Amino acid sequence: QVQLQQSGPQLVRPGASVKISCKASGYSFTNYWMHWVRQRPGQGLEWIGMIDPSDSETRLDQKFKDKATLTVDKSSSTAYIQLSSPTSEDSAVYYCARKTDYWGQGTTLTVSS
Amino acid sequence: DIVLTQSPATLAVSLGQRATISCRASESVDSYGNSFMHWYQQKPGQPPKLLIYRASNLESGIPARFSGSGSRTDFTLTINPVEADDVATYYCQQSNEDPYTFGGGTKLEIK
Repeated sequence: QVQLQQSGPQLVRPGASVKISCKASGYSFTNYWMHWVRQRPGQGLEWIGMIDPSDSETRLDQKFKDKATLTVDKSSSTAYIQLSSPTSEDSAVYYCARKTDYWGQGTTLTVSS
Repeated sequence: DIVLTQSPATLAVSLGQRATISCRASESVDSYGNSFMHWYQQKPGQPPKLLIYRASNLESGIPARFSGSGSRTDFTLTINPVEADDVATYYCQQSNEDPYTFGGGTKLEIK
């Protein structure tokens, strides 16, 4: 069955780069774009962007173009999101999702000194 | 960017009654004969769950109490009859053009 297993919660200091992983299984990884979504505490869902694992073509919401970098490792069927210079505003749950249908469990990022 | 406006923000419905949630897009989300509007249910501490895809298609495993309708800019999610387990926040999302924006959410409560 399709599964997206995300890395565990992270507590990072402001300005320290952070990388979250999403390991896919149960389907052909390169056949579906992988999406990333942010949800700040008590807030709604925000679409960050998506990456085509077959060729790493990436589309980002302009709001995140200086914040998020999406990558994949085809050999391990894993997608990554890297957040640069995080601030408290980046504290949120980050989800990966295969198109619209399957979602990871979410990774809680806390940015605090 | 396509802006999705959901209403109401909060909805209180009695058990067994009908709940109707609206999602209005700032421009059409239709292409090639399809409406690229989707509906999700999210419960606290859980990821969103897909309910309806492309406006009116029921995702596998979702009860037939859930239905979706609409086209171009106006869409509706209906839950009939509402059950206690439906207490959650509901989101619409468009995937007609990136960024694939979400609506602000509708919180469903039991009256």
